[in-house]
Amino acid sequence: GENVEQHPSTLSVQEGDSAVIKCTYSDSASNYFPWYKQELGKGPQLIIDIRSNVGEKKDQRIAVTLNKTAKHFSLHITETQPEDSAVYFCAASPTSGTYKYIFGTGTRLKVLA
Amino acid sequence: KAGVTQTPRYLIKTRGQQVTLSCSPISGHRSVSWYQQTPGQGLQFLFEYFSETQRNKGNFPGRFSGRQFSNSRSEMNVSTLELGDSALYLCASSKSSGGATQYFGPGTRLLVL
Repeated sequence: GENVEQHPSTLSVQEGDSAVIKCTYSDSASNYFPWYKQELGKGPQLIIDIRSNVGEKKDQRIAVTLNKTAKHFSLHITETQPEDSAVYFCAASPTSGTYKYIFGTGTRLKVLA
Repeated sequence: KAGVTQTPRYLIKTRGQQVTLSCSPISGHRSVSWYQQTPGQGLQFLFEYFSETQRNKGNFPGRFSGRQFSNSRSEMNVSTLELGDSALYLCASSKSSGGATQYFGPGTRLLVL
C-alpha cells in the first residue's frame, strides 16, 4: 500500500544551526506535500506545503524541496530557535480520486540553546 | 476566523463502552477528516466526509464510524471500546476534497481503562 518514510526520527541541533528532515513517498499519484508541526498537547499545525508543479518553496526560515522523479521531498529550517522544538510530520496526497493524506512517522526536533 | 474545534478535549472510558467525539470545522469548510494518533502507529486516517457523504475510509474496524451534518459539523463514534483505542483523535477540515489543505483541531485524548 501507499506509505511515506520519514527520517530521521529524532534530530538535535544547536540553536542557529540548520535542520533537514527528509521524506520519501511511494504513491506516484501524490502531488500535494504538506508539512506539519505538532507541539506538545496540540494538534498538527500546517507550516508549509508544496505542489508537484513546483520544485522549491520558501517561507522565511523554512523551505521545502521536491524531487518528483526520486519521490523525495525535504523540509529545511535555517537559523533554528528553541521554539522550533516540536514533532514535524510530512504527508503526501493525490489531488484526485479517493484522495487521503498519508503521513510520515514524524521527526522530533530538539533545538539546544 | 475561528479554527477547528473538538469536544470534549479529554475523555476516560472503560472497555466495552462507546464514545462519541465532535468536530466543528472552520467556517466555510465542507470536508472533515478524522485521524487516530498513537505513539506506535503515528497518524492514521480514519475517514473523510464531504457534504454529508463519506468519501474515503481507512483500514479501521467497523466499530469506528462517523457522520457529517448539513452544517458540516462531524461526529465520530467508537463502539465496544478496547484498550488499544486509547489515542489522540484528530479532526481536520478543508474547503474541499481532493488535495485541499487540511487544518487540524487540538484533538480529543481518549483513555480506555
